[in-house]
Amino acid sequence: GAVVSQHPSWVICKSGTSVKIECRSLDFQATTMFWYRQFPKQSLMLMATSNEGSKATYEQGVEKDKFLINHASLTLSTLTVTSAHPEDSSFYICSARDPSTSGRAFRNEQFFGPGTRLTVL
Amino acid sequence: EDQVTQSPEALRLQEGESSSLNCSYTVSGLRGLFWYRQDPGKGPEFLFTLYSAGEEKEKERLKATLTKKESFLHITAPKPEDSATYLCQGGSEKLVFGKGTKLTVNP
Repeated sequence: GAVVSQHPSWVICKSGTSVKIECRSLDFQATTMFWYRQFPKQSLMLMATSNEGSKATYEQGVEKDKFLINHASLTLSTLTVTSAHPEDSSFYICSARDPSTSGRAFRNEQFFGPGTRLTVL
Repeated sequence: EDQVTQSPEALRLQEGESSSLNCSYTVSGLRGLFWYRQDPGKGPEFLFTLYSAGEEKEKERLKATLTKKESFLHITAPKPEDSATYLCQGGSEKLVFGKGTKLTVNP
């Protein structure tokens, strides 16, 4: 199946600093990537949909100035948590669809990255 | 608003004890129902996609089925390595995740 990587796998930072998380599709081109947040023992919460070459679409309640998303190429999307605070500590996971597996992109399964554990002190 | 509800929240089985996980959905115009497996500290791993009622998919000890209101993930003769959280996801315009079922298989 398609492979999605994330970097870093974990990061610890001080309150007030910014952190960038990278999401890469390794063996396919992804026009659309998704960013999720997962709290302990909770399910995944969609934060935003990242579209290559255009602005990301944020879910209700997600601050777009706080969580900056850039999808500059067909294989890379980045999430920057700006001025991070302890409440931003969470497990961040990206996913992508491989449009080559079906002619109808929406019906494709998502392939997930391994996640990034962010801890803000 | 589309909703996906999974039950039970947690399930403990003995090795070899078959069972089923449930995913019920309230979606007008379901465009896809997906099952994933998630191990602690890792991203979800894709298992199955179901598109229409009556469809079934199998992979090793797992079989997923779909009706007009719910999906089941049947686990036959599970092994300890099947222990994980199983997530279902579905929707019409947007895909939403259920909260998952944490499965523990004891040797």
